Amino acid sequence: KAGVTQTPRYLIKTRGQQVTLSCSPISGHRSVSWYQQTPGQGLQFLFEYFSETQRNKGNFPGRFSGRQFSNSRSEMNVSTLELGDSALYLCASSLRGVGSYEQYFGPGTRLTVT
Amino acid sequence: AQRVTQPEKLLSVFKGAPVELKCNYSYSGSPELFWYVQYSRQRLQLLLRHISRESIKGFTADLNKGETSFHLKKPFAQEEDSAMYYCALNQIQGAQKLVFGQGTRLTINP
Repeated sequence: KAGVTQTPRYLIKTRGQQVTLSCSPISGHRSVSWYQQTPGQGLQFLFEYFSETQRNKGNFPGRFSGRQFSNSRSEMNVSTLELGDSALYLCASSLRGVGSYEQYFGPGTRLTVT
Repeated sequence: AQRVTQPEKLLSVFKGAPVELKCNYSYSGSPELFWYVQYSRQRLQLLLRHISRESIKGFTADLNKGETSFHLKKPFAQEEDSAMYYCALNQIQGAQKLVFGQGTRLTINP
C-alpha cells in the first residue's frame, strides 16, 4: 500500500509569512501526528489528530496549528514565521495513535525561513 | 519531566564487532520504549518495541527499570547497520506523545 506522503517537500519562506504543510496518511489510518526536527532540538512532537479532532499537543506556541479532514489528510499551519521555525517537519500516521507501534513516517517537508 | 538521553551522538565500530547504543530515560510511570532507525535517504521507521521483546535485524533491546535504560545491542555489526538511531519513550501521562532522544549516528567501518 502507498506510504505516507507529504507536500511540498521543500519550502522557502520569509520571516513573518505563514505556511501550510500537508500530510496524506496511509489508507485506513485515522491518526496523524506532526513532529519538528532540528539539529539543536532533535525530534519534537507538535500535535496529533485523530478522526478530525486534536487529541494530543506538544509544547509549541499557538502559531503552530493543524487540522484534519474527513479523509484523514492533515494540514499543519505556521503563522508569523520566525527564523527558528526552519526545520524538517515530519508527519506520521497510524491506526491507533501516538505511541502505537504501527506509526509510519513520511519523508518530511524541509522548511527554510529567511 | 520525561526525558530520553542518548549520550553518544556518534558511534563508530568495525564490521563484525559488537555494537551497543545507549539510551537512558526518566519517566515516573511504567515506560513504553521504542527504537527508531533512519537509513540514508530513507524515512524514519520503527526498529523495535520493548513490549514485543523481539529481535529485528539482529538487534535486541532490554528494558532495565532499575537503571532506567533501554540500550540497543547487536553482537556482530554489519555495514548495512550504518544509520541514525533514535530511542523514544511513549509518554501516556498527561498529553500522550512520543519523546525522542537526540539520536546516535552509527557508522560501521569495513
